[in-house]
Amino acid sequence: GAVVSQHPSWVICKSGTSVKIECRSLDFQATTMFWYRQFPKQSLMLMATSNEGSKATYEQGVEKDKFLINHASLTLSTLTVTSAHPEDSSFYICSASIPGILYGYTFGSGTRLTVV
Amino acid sequence: DAKTTQPNSMESNEEEPVHLPCNHSTISGTDYIHWYRQLPSQGPEYVIHGLTSNVNNRMASLAIAEDRKSSTLILHRATLRDAAVYYCILNKETSGSRLTFGEGTQLTVNP
Repeated sequence: GAVVSQHPSWVICKSGTSVKIECRSLDFQATTMFWYRQFPKQSLMLMATSNEGSKATYEQGVEKDKFLINHASLTLSTLTVTSAHPEDSSFYICSASIPGILYGYTFGSGTRLTVV
Repeated sequence: DAKTTQPNSMESNEEEPVHLPCNHSTISGTDYIHWYRQLPSQGPEYVIHGLTSNVNNRMASLAIAEDRKSSTLILHRATLRDAAVYYCILNKETSGSRLTFGEGTQLTVNP
């Protein structure tokens, strides 16, 4: 149980275009989801916290107008990278809390974004 | 947030036990100790967590020092599939339930 499905697993886009990444909780309701970014050989960095029905909270240094987060339902959160540039190429991962395990979390399988 | 310190890398042989250490000398009374692991090109996976007492589950055991300033993740019989980056994370109850990842320990399992 407590599975988070993330799509797509990889995407290549042209510079200047936008890309949407979806994160769905399959068998539970996720009130709060988290979005991380991971560059090669580095650890995960939290980008933003997404709460259902309200605006996302972004970490310091993350451009909210560039990384649009929508959490319109209890099972779906989306991250849209707008006007993507090569420096946005990274591994993006979503996460949600695991019901029944205090402060436990389940993660999506990640999305490898390459901007060319 | 309280900081954790882990070795950058460790090696083990297949079918042998592995003890992955984590120091967290500034841990507070309400910090839970979480362990996650990340296989290559995948999202992190929950391994185990605890507060004060040692914990066991099907994946691993967590041994927590009496003063809680350190902990050890124990894989009883390492397999090649256990090769991953292991993250020891403290999570405060008042932090908005967000996880802050450090650099973790890269575990290599030799056949």
